[in-house]
Amino acid sequence: EIVLTQSPGTLSLSPGERATLSCRASQSVSNNYLAWYQQKPGQAPRLLIYGASSGATGIPDRFSGGGSATDFTLTISRLEPEDFALYYCQQYGTSPWTFGQGTRVEVK
Amino acid sequence: QVQLVQSGAEVKPPGASVKISCKASGYTFTSYAMHWVRQAPGQSLEWMGWINPGNDNTKYSQKFQGRVTITTDTSASTAYMELNGLRSEDTAVYYCAFGPSSGSWPYWGQGTLVIVSS
Repeated sequence: EIVLTQSPGTLSLSPGERATLSCRASQSVSNNYLAWYQQKPGQAPRLLIYGASSGATGIPDRFSGGGSATDFTLTISRLEPEDFALYYCQQYGTSPWTFGQGTRVEVK
Repeated sequence: QVQLVQSGAEVKPPGASVKISCKASGYTFTSYAMHWVRQAPGQSLEWMGWINPGNDNTKYSQKFQGRVTITTDTSASTAYMELNGLRSEDTAVYYCAFGPSSGSWPYWGQGTLVIVSS
């Protein structure tokens, strides 16, 4: 199965700053089928990005995704207070679909 | 609007089975595969399997093969996930989820906590 490694484990930033999260795959992700989710405590994950770079419906444009093959990034251009949360990448190009271990974005 | 409403929390002894429901509304239930994902406390997400409600085809993660069964009742627009042979490491929140793309999911249930404890 494809293993996804996210870095860093924790990102400490201030509101208004730029956040760059990384997701590296152990093998190439078919068709760049890579998604990003945001999760807050006690809530279900929220889809932010699919197909590596397409924004899901209703997601603010400060969230953007990039990359291809084995290296992907999620960028939050200017952190808003509600963006401090856990972020997971997920590949769905090869079964079983797998998730990274997550990156926590916390207030510095 | 699209909604997935799951059944309530369960406490089960080791070795027991649990069956969780996921009632869908606001869309044509048979049009999209329904996936099940779990999250152990403090851990990441883990995909378990999916079902195509249109033809009842299923696909399971090899990790759960033989222990998990996903079914649907199309007349009730409801999907079910049954997990057998529960052990303590199955303690987790279980989610149903779906989306227009087979693998990225904008729609999620609220989650069902399953605690396996004697």
